[in-house]
Amino acid sequence: AQSVTQLDSQVPVFEEAPVELRCNYSSSVSVYLFWYVQYPNQGLQLLLKYLSGSTLVKGINGFEAEFNKSQTSFHLRKPSVHISDTAEYFCAVTLNTGFQKLVFGTGTRLLVSP
Amino acid sequence: NAGVTQTPKFQVLKTGQSMTLQCAQDMNHNSMYWYRQDPGMGLRLIYYSASEGTTDKGEVPNGYNVSRLNKREFSLRLESAAPSQTSVYFCASSDWDRSYNSPLHFGNGTRLTVT
Repeated sequence: AQSVTQLDSQVPVFEEAPVELRCNYSSSVSVYLFWYVQYPNQGLQLLLKYLSGSTLVKGINGFEAEFNKSQTSFHLRKPSVHISDTAEYFCAVTLNTGFQKLVFGTGTRLLVSP
Repeated sequence: NAGVTQTPKFQVLKTGQSMTLQCAQDMNHNSMYWYRQDPGMGLRLIYYSASEGTTDKGEVPNGYNVSRLNKREFSLRLESAAPSQTSVYFCASSDWDRSYNSPLHFGNGTRLTVT
């Protein structure tokens, strides 16, 4: 079965600084990878996804992620964060065949301060 | 365009009480899901429904039942609530079967406390 590890439970960063949120996955077969964002008291929204093709994927709000098959990683990056990026970020994986059942990581809380 | 609507937003139950969480989507999606979110554990899949008339267990189904009433609605029932079921519950839908890379669309959650 596939699994996702987000090692950082919380990442504090100053406004306009770059940030990287780490995600590693485990699966014996090919997968699709996703990053979702959750703002306070809301459901999750899709940030970006990797299905196939270019390993660098761009999402909404200036975020991007790079798929690295050899390191089984899918780290999320933003070159310059804003206060409004303060939220919880979830990495998720699903097999690329059969019924889509997302498996989520435990989440990373991004705290952006002035 | 409402998307995925969950009711109620908040609920407090005593141990042993029962309740049903309601979920409806207006996007004509075939697939619907129930997740629970707990601190430090991320989201875990309780039950899912690949299409109208079918339901299957997810990762943590014990203590829950579901009903796919029609294509729009997917309810989650707690027959005898326990403190361990204190959580935030999210309903989601997807049309992955028409577009395999379709994302999940989430409701805003139901915050349940069992005392």
